[in-house]
Amino acid sequence: DTEVTQTPKHLVMGMTNKKSLKCEQHMGHRAMYWYKQKAKKPPELMFVYSYEKLSINESVPSRFSPECPNSSLLNLHLHALQPEDSALYLCASSQERALRVSPLHFGNGTRLTVT
Amino acid sequence: ILNVEQSPQSLHVQEGDSTNFTCSFPSSNFYALHWYRWETAKSPEALFVMTLNGDEKKKGRISATLNTKEGYSYLYIKGSQPEDSATYLCAWGSGNTGKLIFGQGTTLQVKP
Repeated sequence: DTEVTQTPKHLVMGMTNKKSLKCEQHMGHRAMYWYKQKAKKPPELMFVYSYEKLSINESVPSRFSPECPNSSLLNLHLHALQPEDSALYLCASSQERALRVSPLHFGNGTRLTVT
Repeated sequence: ILNVEQSPQSLHVQEGDSTNFTCSFPSSNFYALHWYRWETAKSPEALFVMTLNGDEKKKGRISATLNTKEGYSYLYIKGSQPEDSATYLCAWGSGNTGKLIFGQGTTLQVKP
């Protein structure tokens, strides 16, 4: 069982749709992350939030819009996506952003297909 | 471009075999090296966080070593079991920003 919960597990959306991915953790972690993973590739960092503030945006296109409403929740709002955005989107959290002591705790991911 | 490389890409062993794989990373600006195990249909699970040159960590039959000066880490599994079948990912961090760069992983299949 994972302590980071992601919903939905699967999502199919058209290129004109607006949808949101949700992530929740109740471990008191103060850093949260979005990663994107395409088949046979390593997970790639998209965004880092630390104490509910965005600290890293890895030059992600604006059609992906992250939001951290509180310390337990992380959303990823999707709009006007392209078929090449189809991937597994992983949420993770850690005690702090400094990863020398605490590892990442991952959710099971949302499998996104853009048609 | 900062690359984290893992080898081999995949590995098939018999139950009871011991095995090891390699993670290579940039030797400059080292901050931390993580190992994760990712079983099919599950979430990646942390195995080790390593920070000091010469560090060795152990968790049951799995152990890892770290050489930050030459930029590599080894993961060892002693007496592999079918439940060890998974993809093993390493990830390198160069600062306290929260950014980790992942390798492509080594996929291990243990045959009973």
